[in-house]
Amino acid sequence: EDKVVQSPLSLVVHEGDTVTLNCSYEVTNFRSLLWYKQEKKAPTFLFMLTSSGIEKKSGRLSSILDKKELFSILNITATQTGDSAIYLCAVDVSNTGNQFYFGTGTSLTVIP
Amino acid sequence: DAGVIQSPRHEVTEMGQEVTLRCKPISGHNSLFWYRQTMMRGLELLIYFNNNVPIDDSGMPEDRFSAKMPNASFSTLKIQPSEPRDSAVYFCASSFWGEAKNIQYFGAGTRLSVL
Repeated sequence: EDKVVQSPLSLVVHEGDTVTLNCSYEVTNFRSLLWYKQEKKAPTFLFMLTSSGIEKKSGRLSSILDKKELFSILNITATQTGDSAIYLCAVDVSNTGNQFYFGTGTSLTVIP
Repeated sequence: DAGVIQSPRHEVTEMGQEVTLRCKPISGHNSLFWYRQTMMRGLELLIYFNNNVPIDDSGMPEDRFSAKMPNASFSTLKIQPSEPRDSAVYFCASSFWGEAKNIQYFGAGTRLSVL
C-alpha cells in the first residue's frame, strides 16, 4: 500500500532557529513530491521535486529529494512567527490516474 | 486566474439536512479533487475526476456522500442526510494531469458544521 509519512508530527521552536521537516514515502510509480504550507486556510504550494539531489530554494525555505532512500526534507532557516503552519508533503503517482498521497503533516509553531 | 473557487465558505446545518458544496476549478485544468480535513484524520481524499469522469471514489465515506462534475468548470459534493460526524473542512483542488508539472491547487475550503 502506498504511503507517505511525515515527521515530526509537531515542532515548537523560537524565532531565528533552523528547522528540518522530514517526509518519507513508499509508493509505486513515483512521479514527483510536493510540499505545501497550510495556515488557517487552504494548503498553498511551495515546491515540487522530481530529481534527486537538486535543491529547490525560495528565500529561507529549501527542499531536497533523495529518490534512492525515498525521502525529502524541507529546511527553514531563521524562522519567523509567520512560518507557523502545518507543512504537508504529497507524492504524485499519476502514471495510471491522477493520484496524490498526502502525509499527515508537521505542525510548526514559532515562538517570538 | 481566480484560482479554485468554493462556495459556501461556511455552512451550518442541522442533522438530517441536505448539504451541497460547490467548486469551480481553475480554467484549463482537467482533474478535480474533493478532500475532507479534520484534526483527527488529517487530509483525506474523497473522490477525484479526470476530464469530468469520476476515477476513484473509494474515499467517499458512505452512500450519504455523492459527487458530480457535469462539466469542466463545475463540481458538487452532496451530503444527504448530514450527520454531526460530517463536520469538517472540505477542500476542492484542481490540477492539469498530463504534463510534467502536475500541481494541485486548493480552494479556500468550506467549513461545515452539522449540529
